[in-house]
Amino acid sequence: EAGVTQFPSHSVIEKGQTVTLRCDPISGHDNLYWYRRVMGKEIKFLLHFVKESKQDESGMPNNRFLAERTGGTYSTLKVQPAELEDSGVYFCASSQDFGGTIYFGEGSWLTVV
Amino acid sequence: GENVEQHPSTLSVQEGDSAVIKCTYSDSASNYFPWYKQELGKRPQLIIDIRSNVGEKKDQRIAVTLNKTAKHFSLHITETQPEDSAVYFCAASKGGGSQGNLIFGKGTKLSVKP
Repeated sequence: EAGVTQFPSHSVIEKGQTVTLRCDPISGHDNLYWYRRVMGKEIKFLLHFVKESKQDESGMPNNRFLAERTGGTYSTLKVQPAELEDSGVYFCASSQDFGGTIYFGEGSWLTVV
Repeated sequence: GENVEQHPSTLSVQEGDSAVIKCTYSDSASNYFPWYKQELGKRPQLIIDIRSNVGEKKDQRIAVTLNKTAKHFSLHITETQPEDSAVYFCAASKGGGSQGNLIFGKGTKLSVKP
């Protein structure tokens, strides 16, 4: 069974540019989460999809971040325009059920210069 | 909202010794407590978890204990090996509804010296 996959694994962009991160959850997992770890700090929750619906987006830092999950399969997280403080690792995770085990992807490392 | 504190931030032990990492949480409604191990550049990997209806769970060299009254839970690794070296994160969640997301501690960097 394939795990959670993320693309790209690494991205270096200039301040003001746009980056789109993609996540493919484990097949059959309705719950998809985005987390990020900035500058060695704790992993912080960004948002949670159940199928195509945003269940909880309380962790999204500001309106420069846009997450979508059209069709309830893969998800994208767009940062536009990127700022220096957006640098970090963006993790996607998925689970089959509410309260079920949450499996993480390898992360997308974003560096904004 | 939930807040998870994790200690220590770094831990260095000799191979064969035991390692203990402790976490406290603030929201008494939290009922699911997983532990993740993250090796350098890799994904956080679930190593053990415990739910609030259980006080202790063990899997080979790894065990987790939960004290609901005190709102703390701990990871115990016995007979540590160099490959146990990694960053360990504890987390808490309410395990369902709109609060299924995990709230993480800041992580503990464990170094096991051969």
